[in-house]
Amino acid sequence: QKEVEQNSGPLSVPEGAIASLNCTYSDRGSQSFFWYRQYSGKSPELIMFIYSNGDKEDGRFTAQLNKASQYVSLLIRDSQPSDSATYLCAVAPFMDSNYQLIWGAGTKLIIKP
Amino acid sequence: SAVISQKPSRDICQRGTSLTIQCQVDSQVTMMFWYRQQPGQSLTLIATANQGSEATYESGFVIDKFPISRPNLTFSTLTVSNMSPEDSSIYLCSVPDPSTNEKLFFGSGTQLSVL
Repeated sequence: QKEVEQNSGPLSVPEGAIASLNCTYSDRGSQSFFWYRQYSGKSPELIMFIYSNGDKEDGRFTAQLNKASQYVSLLIRDSQPSDSATYLCAVAPFMDSNYQLIWGAGTKLIIKP
Repeated sequence: SAVISQKPSRDICQRGTSLTIQCQVDSQVTMMFWYRQQPGQSLTLIATANQGSEATYESGFVIDKFPISRPNLTFSTLTVSNMSPEDSSIYLCSVPDPSTNEKLFFGSGTQLSVL
């Protein structure tokens, strides 16, 4: 049974600090890793994705993969109150099937002004 | 990217009735996915809707309860049949990026409450 696990939180971070979200996955052969942001009452929105070959930075967001320990992280620098949301981690276990995702339960992030 | 229109955005239904949710995409896509998100939970895939063939259902979901139509490459419907309060959820349609298949985009969701 392929699994993706996240701490449900809430994770409370002061405004301007770095928020660090983690996600562990069970399938060592997983190829792609996605972070979605979901505001309350809204649908998930893709904010970052990385492949098994490396990390990625996009503005204030950095996604990092640790293949040996089988976890993927999302770092949010200079956290803003608008970053308060639930962050869903998803993993694609198969090559060429980035839409057949295994989903984590999400981490609720709260940025305190 | 893809623009996905989903409706209704919310509905309150009586037990035993059925609701059909529509999903319209601005691009042609081979696959469309229907997800359920129960309160406080993550996403659970209900089925994959392929144009020209029957939908493929995930374990725990059956066609009689969640019939799906996929008449063309831009449109799909999901019906929640014979509803009970346990069906109260957000229902989401989703499609892969039409140009790269690298990522999933989601419709705005349907918030369903069953009394």
